This record gives sequence, C-alpha cells and structure tokens, in this order.
Amino acid sequence: KQEVTQIPAALSVPEGENLVLNCSFTDSAIYNLQWFRQDPGKGLTSLLLIQSSQREQTSGRLNASLDKSSGRSTLYIAASQPGDSATYLCAGTGTASKLTFGTGTRLQVTL
Amino acid sequence: ETGVTQSPTHLIKTRGQQVTLRCSSQSGHNTVSWYQQALGQGPQFIFQYYREEENGRGNFPPRFSGLQFPNYSSELNVNALELDDSALYLCAITTTGRMGEQYFGPGTRLTVT
Repeated sequence: KQEVTQIPAALSVPEGENLVLNCSFTDSAIYNLQWFRQDPGKGLTSLLLIQSSQREQTSGRLNASLDKSSGRSTLYIAASQPGDSATYLCAGTGTASKLTFGTGTRLQVTL
Repeated sequence: ETGVTQSPTHLIKTRGQQVTLRCSSQSGHNTVSWYQQALGQGPQFIFQYYREEENGRGNFPPRFSGLQFPNYSSELNVNALELDDSALYLCAITTTGRMGEQYFGPGTRLTVT
C-alpha cells in the first residue's frame, strides 16, 4: 500500500527566499508523481507532473525532482512571493490513475 | 482553468439523508475520479470511472456509489449520510495524452449536521 509523507507540515518564509518542499513515498512502483497547489477551501491546481522515467520537471520558478530509488520528490520554489502562499500537495499515481496524496505542506510567504 | 466543473458548490444535509454531487468537463474526458478531502487532510480516493464503468475503488463503504454518463459527466451519490461524511468532494479528469495527469474541479463542500 502506497503511503506518502510530506515534510514540513507548515513553513513560513520571507518574500524572496528560495525554498524546498519534501515528499517521500513508500512504493517505488509509482507511475508518475504530481505536485498540486491548493488555496483555502478551493480545488487542486496541477503544478508539475513527473513521469516515472523522468528525473525532473520545470515550470517558471518551480522545479520538481523525482528519485524513485530513494522514494523521494522535492519541489523547489525560487524567489518566493506572497502569492505563493497556499498548501502544496504531492501525489503518486499507481495503476488505474489512482492518486495517493500526502497531507500537504502549508506555505506562508511574508512581506 | 481546468474546464472541470462541479455542482453544487456548497451543500448542507442532515444525518441519514442522501446526496448527489455532479461533475462535468468541457472536453468530455472518459476517465473521472472522485476524492474526499477532510479538513486538514490530503484527498482520499473514492473510486474511478472509465467509459461508464467503475475502474477501481478506494476504502469507502457501498453507500458511496457513482455513475458516469455517455457524455462522460459523472455523479457521486452518498446514502445514509453520517457526520464524518462532511468534507470537500473533488472530482478529477485524467488526460490520457499526458500519461495520467489529473485535473481537478473546484469541489463541493458537504456539511452533514
């Protein structure tokens, strides 16, 4: 059974800092790894998808890496902005497109 | 903009009642999944429909059921509501062209009193 853990649970940083969010998973037989952003009370916005054959993906100030052998993924956010404040969730996809989520990291970027 | 819509936005029901939640997408993707997200938790997989048939189910009792229609819109039905069913219910479509990337709707907030 896949289990996904995210550390830290909450993080507060000043504007402009670079930061790393961590995600670990127990079953290396994942199909892909997806990072999401969730604003309070809202749905999930897909940020990056890393396929199992890839090691990283980049979109703007975001970079996500995947190391299946160690069961880890990281989301790097460069030059953080107050608008980045949200909860970030990672999820691994097994068969039948089922996503297994972590509990998320709540990020606050302060002025 | 994901193109995935859900209705209603909010819903308040009484314990023991039944509820139907709806999901549709602009492009009519043939795979739709439903998730339950309790406050402060990550979403939990309920089930998935592919071409109108259930294609995988999470650890939820039979009173959670679903349908997918020929136009690929979907419904989630919950019978005999319990207080613990209070949550945000999310549907997601899978874009087969992107190796299973999933796009979520805005969710339905269900409160059971």
